[in-house]
Amino acid sequence: DTEVTQTPKHLVMGMTNKKSLKCEQHMGHRAMYWYKQKAKKPPELMFVYSYEKLSINESVPSRFSPECPNSSLLNLHLHALQPEDSALYLCASSQDRPASTDTQYFGPGTRLTVL
Amino acid sequence: QKEVEQNSGPLSVPEGAIASLNCTYSDRVSQSFFWYRQYSGKSPELIMSIYSNGDKEDGRFTAQLNKASQYVSLLIRDSQPSDSATYLCAVRISSTLGRLYFGRGTQLTVWP
Repeated sequence: DTEVTQTPKHLVMGMTNKKSLKCEQHMGHRAMYWYKQKAKKPPELMFVYSYEKLSINESVPSRFSPECPNSSLLNLHLHALQPEDSALYLCASSQDRPASTDTQYFGPGTRLTVL
Repeated sequence: QKEVEQNSGPLSVPEGAIASLNCTYSDRVSQSFFWYRQYSGKSPELIMSIYSNGDKEDGRFTAQLNKASQYVSLLIRDSQPSDSATYLCAVRISSTLGRLYFGRGTQLTVWP
């Protein structure tokens, strides 16, 4: 089973709203990732959690706030977003082992539109 | 700067042909190589991974890795219209906490 789930599938929000994106995996993976993807561009790494600790923050604006409540769940809290933040937000997970075979599996994504 | 370059595309092949997708990378300590397929509006789906020099085959897909030339490719045999998608090459470097470096992707169209 290589399933990563994300909710919601679509989200429309105003610039003053607060919303959250959710990601879940039950593969026993210990690393979870948030990516942002704009049209016709590759995924752009935002955050990495390893064993529930934030290990990478790619200088993402503070209006994006990640949270990892446990090893299976990953949230992305959104506040005061800008229209240019509209994108496909992807969650991924991997076993986070040192061996070269560590592989990331992506969830279906949340299509976010900021009005 | 760790760069991953893919042939610019778009690539268009007839049904039944072999589609060849290429990727080069700049960092010599790159360790793992992945090909993801992404349909329009969907998320990336892993189709192949390769870690050692040589060929790796999985059904109609063959990945080829040449670390000396810093080159990885994906061949799709007997291409089908359902293979029409963007193919993303991704490279993992062991020293960077599992971070993947993506190429810009090659858009493949298989016409009937």
